[in-house]
Formats: sequence, C-alpha cells, structure tokens
Amino acid sequence: KAGVTQTPRYLIKTRGQQVTLSCSPISGHRSVSWYQQTPGQGLQFLFEYFSETQRNKGNFPGRFSGRQFSNSRSEMNVSTLELGDSALYLCASSLPPIAGVTGELFFGEGSRLTVL
Amino acid sequence: AQKVTQAQTEISVVEKEDVTLDCVYETRDTTYYLFWYKQPPSGELVFLIRRNSFDEQNEISGRYSWNFQKSTSSFNFTITASQVVDSAVYFCALTPRGGNKLVFGAGTILRVKS
Repeated sequence: KAGVTQTPRYLIKTRGQQVTLSCSPISGHRSVSWYQQTPGQGLQFLFEYFSETQRNKGNFPGRFSGRQFSNSRSEMNVSTLELGDSALYLCASSLPPIAGVTGELFFGEGSRLTVL
Repeated sequence: AQKVTQAQTEISVVEKEDVTLDCVYETRDTTYYLFWYKQPPSGELVFLIRRNSFDEQNEISGRYSWNFQKSTSSFNFTITASQVVDSAVYFCALTPRGGNKLVFGAGTILRVKS
C-alpha cells in the first residue's frame, strides 16, 4: 500500500514569492491534514480537509490556504512568503473519524521549504 | 486549551539500556486521544500508538510499552533494551474526540550509542 506522497520534497523561494505544495493521501483516505514543523514552534496544525471541505483550521494568517480535490489529493499554498515560513510542511492522511473515534494519522516525508 | 509537555529535550543512552520518555498533557475534554510518533532523520512521522481516554490499560508491543495514568495526566513511553535504530525524535500528541487536529509536544531527541 503506497504511503502519503508529498511533492516537492525540497524547494527554495525568496521573500514575497508564493509556493504550492502537493499531497497525495493513501488510497481510500479522504481526510488530509497539514502541519508546519519549525525548530522554534515545533509541530503546529495548519488545516484539515475532508471531502473537499475544510473541517478545521489552525492559528495561521490568511496567507496560508489549502484545498482538496475530488480524488482527495490536497494542495496548500503560502503567498507573500516570509523568512519565518521556512519549515518542514507535513501532510497526513487518515480515514475520517467514525462515531467520534479518531483514527491513525499517516504522515508523508514532508516538503522542506527554505525562504531566502 | 490543550497542551502537551515533553520535558526531556534530549536523552542519550547506551545500547541495551532501558529508557522512558515522559509526556504530560492538559485538556478539559473528557474524551480524547493520545498518540506517540517517531520521527527518524527522513522526516516522516511514524505512528507508534493511539490510546483513548477511557482505556487506561498499559500496552506492550515488543520492546515498546506505554503507561497511561489519567490521575497524573501522563502517557509515558518506555523502550526496553534500546537499539541504535531507536535513535530518533519522539513526539507525544493529543486530540479531542473525533478530531484530527493534533496538539504535539516539543519532542524528545533520543540518541542510542553503540
């Protein structure tokens, strides 16, 4: 069973640019979440999508956005990049909670973004 | 608000030693889920265990064991007879019932030396 695939794995951007990261979940998983990992702030939740709808959002500025397609693939976009956006962006997929039971989240290897 | 504290920033042990990673959490939810993940140098988070708040039974899986104590809001993780391959960053995480919004601790770097 293929795991969660994130592209690109590494990228370098300059301040003011925008970036789009892609995530392909495990086949059959319809829930996709995004996390930002930095040395200073650790792992922080960005947003979660299920059936093309955003179900939950973390405490990030509007420059961070995402979407999910009908095949469950997801993209996140960061506009007007700042130096502080340099981070490892991790995507996780899961089956949706059933009767309130949270399932396992399976993570990809991440997209490492460097902003110069 | 929810919070997860992993007070141990870094632990170094010699191979075959037992090591315990501490995790203390705060939540007002009565139903919640706790997780442990391992992050090797490749970057992906590897799922180790999920425990719901109603199940306080300790769990053992091979060399890994987990001790969940609701009275002290702790969910500690022990590796018995550690191996070099156990070297990684370990994260404890918490989410309310039915949610996928994990709150992570800061992580504990485990270094196992041969």
